[in-house]
Order: sequence, then structure tokens, then C-alpha cells
Amino acid sequence: DIQMTQSPASLSASLGETVTIECLASEDIYDILAWYQQKPGKSPQLLIYDASRLHTGVPSRFSGSGSGTQYSLKINSLQPEDFASYYCQNGLSAPWTFGGGTKLELK
Amino acid sequence: EVQLVESGGGLVQPGRSLKLSCVASGFTFSNYGMNWIRQAPGKGLEWVAYISSGSSYIYYAETVKGRFTISRDNAKNTLYLQMTSLRSEDTALYYCARILGVRGYFDYWGQGVMVTVSS
Repeated sequence: DIQMTQSPASLSASLGETVTIECLASEDIYDILAWYQQKPGKSPQLLIYDASRLHTGVPSRFSGSGSGTQYSLKINSLQPEDFASYYCQNGLSAPWTFGGGTKLELK
Repeated sequence: EVQLVESGGGLVQPGRSLKLSCVASGFTFSNYGMNWIRQAPGKGLEWVAYISSGSSYIYYAETVKGRFTISRDNAKNTLYLQMTSLRSEDTALYYCARILGVRGYFDYWGQGVMVTVSS
């Protein structure tokens, strides 16, 4: 199985800041990677797929990059609604595995 | 509007069974692969099972293989998860989720249904 390792596990930031979350796959996943946002008490929502493609309706302040085994999610100019948990996910092959998550908190 | 509504959760004793349902609307259910994904309280996400649009392909996580069965009824726009030999570690919020395209991405999720396994 492909293991997904996210860092950091938690992150404190201020409104308007830019943050980056990292995700490391245990093997090459050929950019078949997704990012999800989950707010407390809510279902996860797809933000980015194919490592860098924004899902419908996702604001342009979110961006994804990376290749091979290393990927990142960047959020520019943090807004109040961005404080949530974020998960990366291997979409290459079943079993589809998730990273452990990053909780983004308001400083 | 795409909607996925899960039901069937509850409190169950270890070793017992439970069947979850997920009713889909707002899209052509028979055209999409579907999944169950779970989240233990305060923990991360774990993919559980996948079924293709026509039920030809089915995959399971190793943690549930042999105990859980995913199925669907396209005439009723409904996805199911039959869970047997339940363990305390199966306690989680169970989401049904639609798969996006041919990759393992999950573009729409239900609100989730809680399953608690405890004596």
C-alpha cells in the first residue's frame, strides 16, 4: 500500500498569511493526488485533484504543486473560512490512502 | 444538486452486524463508482470500499476485507455497506462518496452516519 505522510500535523497562522502543507508519498504516484478540506462537523470537500487542478468552485488562493513523491498545498492570503483540517490522498490505485491530516488554526 | 444521504448507523455490540445505506440524487447514479470512507472520532480518513458503476469491480481495505460487503441497487439509486463481525475499531463516522472520473478522487460526500461498536 502507498503511505501518505503529511506535515506539519498542525499549523497556526494569521489572517492574510500564506501557508504551505506538505505531503510525501511512499512511492511515485505520478501526480495522481488530491487535497481535501474538512471543517469541524462537516464532510470533507475536494479542493484539488491531479496535484494541481482546482475542483469546481474552489477559490484561486488555493494551489497545488509537486511531482513524483512530493506534493504541496499552498493557501495564499488566508481567509477566516480557511481554518480547517486538510488531507492529501493518493488517487493512483486502491487502497486509496490519505495523509494523517493538517489542522490549520488561527493564531 | 448532488446529494448523498446515509442512514442505518447506530450502537451495536461487538461481533454483531449492521447495514448502512446511502441514497443518491441529483446525478445519474448508475454512471458513477461509489465508495465508503470512514473517520474514527478525532482521527483521519480511511477509505473502506469501492464499487464500480455496474458492480463489476469491487475493492476493500484490508482492515474490512472478509467482514464488509459493498453493494448497490442502481434502480433505487442506493449504495449499501453490509458490516458483519463488527469490532470496536470499526467505530467511526461512515461517509459514502462519489468517485470522480477514472481516478480515485472523491468529489461528493454525504454527511456521514455514525457507527458505534460497544458492549
